[in-house]
Amino acid sequence: QKEVEQDPGPLSVPEGAIVSLNCTYSNSAFQYFMWYRQYSRKGPELLMYTYSSGNKEDGRFTAQVDKSSKYISLFIRDSQPSDSATYLCAIRRPGYSSASKIIFGSGTRLSIRP
Amino acid sequence: ETGVTQSPTHLIKTRGQQVTLRCSSQSGHNTVSWYQQALGQGPQFIFQYYREEENGRGNFPPRFSGLQFPNYSSELNVNALELDDSALYLCASSSEQGQETQYFGPGTRLLVL
Repeated sequence: QKEVEQDPGPLSVPEGAIVSLNCTYSNSAFQYFMWYRQYSRKGPELLMYTYSSGNKEDGRFTAQVDKSSKYISLFIRDSQPSDSATYLCAIRRPGYSSASKIIFGSGTRLSIRP
Repeated sequence: ETGVTQSPTHLIKTRGQQVTLRCSSQSGHNTVSWYQQALGQGPQFIFQYYREEENGRGNFPPRFSGLQFPNYSSELNVNALELDDSALYLCASSSEQGQETQYFGPGTRLLVL
């Protein structure tokens, strides 16, 4: 079983829709959760990070963590064509040297139709 | 403040050759991590350099090696290239070892024929 699982999509929604992107993880000891956005031919860009269960909001983006279900989500409200990108979840593993702590999901390709 | 830069942007090599990829870290960052991203996959950690020393390594063979220089720029070297080495190679820099706020470069796309 992979430590982090993410539906690869692709996901296509109309402009203005609410988008829900999800990841599951295997180890309940994981403690730090991140979402990255990656445009075509670019490196990943950190969108949001959170330590704890619950919601964290930043503009049109909300990150949600449910540690009891080992499930993390990213919601995008009022989606725009400029949100079209690949979204990667990432999780920090405890107990490793800081170097190898971060593991990424495989990414979900999102397309917002005008 | 300059961001993370990588060179070259694209590279084509043949099996068995060697390649060197370069990364300049963001101003003020002393930690550089290298990742391999295969098509349709998330980045996979190769190794990290902190103050010119290797500081942890992922599940990659020894033919993947690196260096960090006093100005904190870094190189990734891959010997005896294999077809499966074709991927986007990403460099990320951070201050100290805080990978939670690491900044990625645009990557070098390597194709091995």
